[in-house]
Amino acid sequence: QLVLTQSPSASASLGASVKLTCTLSSGHSNYAIAWHQQQPEKGPRYLMKLNSDGSHNKGDGIPDRFSGSSSGAERYLTISSLQSEDEADYYCQTWGTGIWVFGGGTKLTVL
Amino acid sequence: EVQLVESGGGLVQPGRSLRLSCTASGFTFGDYAMSWVRQTPGKGLEWVGFITIKAYGGTTEYAASVKGRFTISRDDSKSIAYLQMNSLKTEDTAMYYCTRVGPMGGSDYWGQGTLVTVSS
Repeated sequence: QLVLTQSPSASASLGASVKLTCTLSSGHSNYAIAWHQQQPEKGPRYLMKLNSDGSHNKGDGIPDRFSGSSSGAERYLTISSLQSEDEADYYCQTWGTGIWVFGGGTKLTVL
Repeated sequence: EVQLVESGGGLVQPGRSLRLSCTASGFTFGDYAMSWVRQTPGKGLEWVGFITIKAYGGTTEYAASVKGRFTISRDDSKSIAYLQMNSLKTEDTAMYYCTRVGPMGGSDYWGQGTLVTVSS
């Protein structure tokens, strides 16, 4: 069964870096994912597509502070030089034959 | 600039129907699959379904929670995707988002959402 697992919450200080994790279920470690950001009271925004080899394609206007990487079944979103507007929910998404799946989301707090 | 604008949400009684529209601009609509994703207030994102492009038969796939009740269609001449929702349940109450399916999979653009409330 295709499942994505994310930690419910994370926090980091203003100006620091944070690495969020999205884990693919067993047997699906080669799947690509997408990362999305949802700021408070807003709709989601596409950040990037991240492949199993760590290559990624960012969405329009996404700052260089956002980057992605992969290791085995884990997919990472690293945000550097944290700003207050980065405080948001971050969701990962993947897709298989006839099915899409979202992770439960990670709520990032910028201290 | 890619824009997706949802409309058609509102308050509806359980068992009734509602049709949502997603009007697209800024890209060649017929070249992209489209999807619907919903979000219950205060909760996470849930995939509803998608429709492929005409070249792939305009086939549709749905989440188990809506299969048999919801239908996605598209009108490429108007650049609109639709979500027909029948036999609505209280648990269908959510913000409904239209998304464009990127050429490599997944959602690469989102609309602002339209709120559907199912209540008597």
